[in-house]
Amino acid sequence: EAEVAQSPRYKITEKSQAVAFWCDPISGHATLYWYRQILGQGPELLVQFQDESVVDDSQLPKDRFSAERLKGVDSTLKIQPAELGDSAMYLCASSLKGGSSYNEQFFGPGTRLTVL
Amino acid sequence: SQKIEQNSEALNIQEGKTATLTCNYTNYSPAYLQWYRQDPGRGPVFLLLIRENEKEKRKERLKVTFDTTLKQSLFHITASQPADSATYLCALNTGGFKTIFGAGTRLFVKA
Repeated sequence: EAEVAQSPRYKITEKSQAVAFWCDPISGHATLYWYRQILGQGPELLVQFQDESVVDDSQLPKDRFSAERLKGVDSTLKIQPAELGDSAMYLCASSLKGGSSYNEQFFGPGTRLTVL
Repeated sequence: SQKIEQNSEALNIQEGKTATLTCNYTNYSPAYLQWYRQDPGRGPVFLLLIRENEKEKRKERLKVTFDTTLKQSLFHITASQPADSATYLCALNTGGFKTIFGAGTRLFVKA
C-alpha cells in the first residue's frame, strides 16, 4: 500500500541552527500539506501546495520557515533559525485533490523536532 | 475564525460498550467533516467523512452523525475493543482549501 514518506523521523538541534524536513507524497497526489502538531493539540496547517503552487501559507512564520515543492512531487520544509518554541511533530500529508473535493488526507509518520 | 471543540478529558470505557465522542464547532458550517484516528508518535489515519447534506455515515463498527443546527458531530464506536484505544481527531473543511483540526479526544478501552 502506498504511503507518505518523511525523513528524518527524529531531529535534535540547538536553537539558531537550521533544520530541514523532507516529504514524498503518494504518487499521483496533487495536494501536499505540512502541519505542525504540538503535544496535546491537533495538527495546525503550515502550508498547502496544489502541484507546485502554494495555495495557503497564512499560518507559516515566513521570517524563519520556508517550504518548496519545485517539481510538484516531493517537498522540503526548512526552519532557519530554529527556536525553542519550534519543538513539535511536523507532519506531511497528501491527497488527490484539495479544497472542496472531499478528499481524505494521507499522513506520513512525522518528524519529531526537539530544539535545545 | 472557525473553532473546533472536542472533549479535552480522556474517555474511559469498558470493552464491548459503545464509545461516543463529541465535536462542536463555531461560526459558519463546514462543507464536510472528517474523523481521524491517531496513535502515539504516529500520523493521523482517516476514518470517515460526512458531508453537510448527510445526517449519518457508517463504516463497520463506526458511525458518524452531523447536525448542522447544533453545529455538532458525534462519533460512535460500537462493541469497542482495547485496540480502539487512541486519540480521535475531528477535522472540518469550510469549502475552501483549509482543513482545521480539533485537539482530539483520548479514548481508553479497558479489557
